[in-house]
Amino acid sequence: NAGVTQTPKFRVLKTGQSMTLLCAQDMNHEYMYWYRQDPGMGLRLIHYSVGEGTTAKGEVPDGYNVSRLKKQNFLLGLESAAPSQTSVYFCASKGGDQETQYFGPGTRLLVL
Amino acid sequence: SQQGEEDPQALSIQEGENATMNCSYKTSINNLQWYRQNSGRGLVHLILIRSNEREKHSGRLRVTLDTSKKSSSLLITASRAADTASYFCATKFYFGSGTKLNVKP
Repeated sequence: NAGVTQTPKFRVLKTGQSMTLLCAQDMNHEYMYWYRQDPGMGLRLIHYSVGEGTTAKGEVPDGYNVSRLKKQNFLLGLESAAPSQTSVYFCASKGGDQETQYFGPGTRLLVL
Repeated sequence: SQQGEEDPQALSIQEGENATMNCSYKTSINNLQWYRQNSGRGLVHLILIRSNEREKHSGRLRVTLDTSKKSSSLLITASRAADTASYFCATKFYFGSGTKLNVKP
């Protein structure tokens, strides 16, 4: 099993550009999460999903959109990137009957 | 922050010494989890302690939980250079700011 994978690993954007980060999991997990991690800080939840076709806002949702069209994929979109969105983005998944989250390796995003 | 703080923010010890990290949280919880993050990598789950437990062990890890004080501690005994990483506590999907542990060989 690959676990949780994220693409791309690294990306540079100019202010105003858009992009989509892809998260994929092969563990048949119900729950999926997108976090951002800034230097010296813990993870902050952006959006999450409790199942295919459902999404919900987390702690810092502004400027991001998400979609969960397939159970195994969770997409994070930035419609108009801003320098404040420079961060490392982590995806995680969790089984419905579990309490442990499994994390991807992260996507490093730099917005100039 | 919904989670609270961890302390210390950074900890440097010699191999073989014990490392203790503390975490405070703000809301009532069902469980609290500790995760580890190696530099440039994703988080890896270490241990979970439920709200009705006071102490839990896993290998060289010992976690305590005091729900009256809304605090938890993680003790790593007989530390190794390979334990060098950042350690985070989490309640549901709220994470602390982490303790950066450096174990010198």
